[in-house]
Parts: sequence; C-alpha cells; structure tokens
Amino acid sequence: GEDVEQSLFLSVREGDSSVINCTYTDSSSTYLYWYKQEPGAGLQLLTYIFSNMDMKQDQRLTVLLNKKDKHLSLRIADTQTGDSAIYFCAEIPVDSSYKLIFGSGTRLLVRP
Amino acid sequence: EPEVTQTPSHQVTQMGQEVILRCVPISNHLYFYWYRQILGQKVEFLVSFYNNEISEKSEIFDDQFSVERPDGSNFTLKIRSTKLEDSAMYFCASSASSGANVLTFGAGSRLTVL
Repeated sequence: GEDVEQSLFLSVREGDSSVINCTYTDSSSTYLYWYKQEPGAGLQLLTYIFSNMDMKQDQRLTVLLNKKDKHLSLRIADTQTGDSAIYFCAEIPVDSSYKLIFGSGTRLLVRP
Repeated sequence: EPEVTQTPSHQVTQMGQEVILRCVPISNHLYFYWYRQILGQKVEFLVSFYNNEISEKSEIFDDQFSVERPDGSNFTLKIRSTKLEDSAMYFCASSASSGANVLTFGAGSRLTVL
C-alpha cells in the first residue's frame, strides 16, 4: 500500500542549511509535495515536484527527487528561526487524482 | 492572498451528538476536500468533492460522515453521531484542478468528543 515516511525531528542552527528527508512507496506517484505547518495554522504548500524532474529550486528551497530510491528531500538554505515548523512530505498515488498521502511530518527546530 | 476559512476553530461535543464543520473554499476553486489529523498521527484523507458529488472517499469516511455544498460558497462536513475516536483536527482544502492538484488548506477545526 501507499506509505510515506519521514524522520520526526531535526534541529539546526540559524544560518545553517536544513535537509528534511522523505521516502515513499508508490513508484508511480505523479506529484510529490512539501507542506509546512506552523503552530495553530493550516498546511501551507511550500513547493511540489513532478515525478519526471530530479530537482526544483525556489529561492531558499531546493527539492531533490531520486525516483530509483523513492527518496525526496527538501533543503532549506540559510535557515531562519521563522522556518521552525512541521514539514510534511506528501504524494498523490497513481490510482488517484484527488488523494494526498502525507508523511508523519518532521519537526524542524531552528536554534538562534 | 485568497484563503480557505473554517469554522468553528474548536468544538467540544458529547459522544453521540451531531457535529457540522463548515468551510468556505477559495471562490474559483472547483475541487473540495476534507482531511483529518488525530493528535500525534498522520494527516489522513477523508473525501474529495467535485461537481456536487463525492469523487473519492477513504475507508474512514463511513456512513456517519457526509459532505454537502449547500450553496455556492460553503462546504460542510457532518458527523452524525460522534465517537470518542472522532476527536481530531479536521482540515478543509480546495483546488482549482486535479492535475498538479495544488491544494490550499484551511487552518483547521479542532473537534473534541467527550
């Protein structure tokens, strides 16, 4: 079945890069997403990547996709305290156009 | 920036009571969704809705759940007879298309069943 896994916690110093990793099981997923959740807020889409791409860059965010290993990563350059949040990886399985499968989320703590 | 709004932000109810959670999706969006997140667990898909009917639903979305778009702006989730295990954060979302399926989520409604 579909499953998306993430490590639960990451702590970095302000100014360093953060790398949040995700593995997924559905090799036919068409799109993969990164969402951010701040305390008390909803899920905010950060970026997404189409499965035929290896990399996508958007300002401080870089998404790398390794389809062979079914591994997705999100790199945040020059991490700021405002980046502290929970980051969710998600995929759309091939048998659905509507359903996002989420990972359990990685809590990023940025230390001053 | 357009946003999805949800009400109430928090509701406390007794087991067995009916609950309606309300959502106002983004006005030009055509696809509507409900997800839930039980405390400490993953965000789970419940249902998607398009063209005034359910397009997909999960195993969680059993007969005690229903969705409705009663007018041109609201999208509601009704839980007929709440159980303790329905306690969760419920997120509404909407999207303009099903292609890249870029969902915009609301801030969530926290449901506590006592």
